[in-house]
Amino acid sequence: DAKTTQPPSMDCAEGRAANLPCNHSTISGNEYVYWYRQIHSQGPQYIIHGLKNNETNEMASLIITEDRKSSTLILPHATLRDTAVYYCIVRFTNAGKSTFGDGTTLTVKP
Amino acid sequence: EAQVTQNPRYLITVTGKKLTVTCSQNMNHEYMSWYRQDPGLGLRQIYYSMNVEVTDKGDVPEGYKVSRKEKRNFPLILESPSPNQTSLYFCASSLKAGGSTDTQYFGPGTRLTVL
Repeated sequence: DAKTTQPPSMDCAEGRAANLPCNHSTISGNEYVYWYRQIHSQGPQYIIHGLKNNETNEMASLIITEDRKSSTLILPHATLRDTAVYYCIVRFTNAGKSTFGDGTTLTVKP
Repeated sequence: EAQVTQNPRYLITVTGKKLTVTCSQNMNHEYMSWYRQDPGLGLRQIYYSMNVEVTDKGDVPEGYKVSRKEKRNFPLILESPSPNQTSLYFCASSLKAGGSTDTQYFGPGTRLTVL
């Protein structure tokens, strides 16, 4: 799996959009981008994933650049409950090894 | 309800006393994985299993064993625990490894302290 790079921390005002970037410049053509988040010490929770097209679900939107070397997770209206560590990972089909990295700690402030 | 369960949730033990942390999933997933998480560090993969009877090492396998005799269960075994294995452990499963079917469902975690 390709390596990902994320900023260690970000702040966001409550009610505003939170845009979390992820760099995956060595991504290959059939690697998917996955996002998870971990609140406190709970088990990580899946948010969204995509290959090349932008994706949206009830939790977030995922924007993948045309060259696929980076992506942005967008939480459209951040709430205090969105304060968490967000992990961006890339996953090759049939890849057993899974590397999460250190993620981005997002703090949503009132 | 689709879920991954781990037991025990909390465990305090002593150096050298063999222990097993159980992991079970009810989603008929092929892929299962164990991670450990230490303060200030992300999730590091210990072992994974692509399917029944197929297991392989992750990034930090030393001191751990696993088995996958049934699809739903993936126990983590510490034959001779040491203090450096004090950590928060997570089990995860997904339909298949990687690609579009790799949405990993995580268990609630097991907090292990080895004295």
